[in-house]
Amino acid sequence: ETGVTQSPTHLIKTRGQQVTLRCSSQSGHNTVSWYQQALGQGPQFIFQYYREEENGRGNFPPRFSGLQFPNYSSELNVNALELDDSALYLCASSLQADPNQPQHFGDGTRLSIL
Amino acid sequence: AQSVAQPEDQVNVAEGNPLTVKCTYSVSGNPYLFWYVQYPNRGLQFLLKYITGDNLVKGSYGFEAEFNKSQTSFHLKKPSALVSDSALYFCAVSGYQKVTFGTGTKLQVIP
Repeated sequence: ETGVTQSPTHLIKTRGQQVTLRCSSQSGHNTVSWYQQALGQGPQFIFQYYREEENGRGNFPPRFSGLQFPNYSSELNVNALELDDSALYLCASSLQADPNQPQHFGDGTRLSIL
Repeated sequence: AQSVAQPEDQVNVAEGNPLTVKCTYSVSGNPYLFWYVQYPNRGLQFLLKYITGDNLVKGSYGFEAEFNKSQTSFHLKKPSALVSDSALYFCAVSGYQKVTFGTGTKLQVIP
């Protein structure tokens, strides 16, 4: 089975720009979650998508938005980039949007803001 | 609100010795608890989970975790550490529509 893949692996942007990160979920998984992991920190939950609908959101401003497509792949969009947005962005998929389901992570997109 | 605490930033253990990585949690209702491992420049990998049932949960790569409801703890253990176990370990609690991770514990296994 194909695991979770994310693109691009690295990205450099400047303040004020916009960015789109992409994620392909593991085969058979209909739920995708996005996390921000700052250097030396644990992943922080951004939001979750289940069957193309947002299914929960963490403490992130509206300039962080997302989409999930019919094939369950997903995008994370960030507008008006700030220096503090520099982080590793992780996508994780799971079989269902149930709390007892483990998450399967991609290797992340390293975003650097100059 | 749910939360997870990992009180140790780093744990050092000699190869072949038993290891413990600590985690305590706070959640209303039944806890869904997980351990993940992260190697450098990689995503997180699922190790094991506690949903309900036996307090000792067995997982991947010889790891196990002990759930203690009265102490609200879910410590990760392994009887004999390997150098290849050196990595960053995260405890997590899962609720509906949100997963909360701890700050991570760096495990260093010394040859």
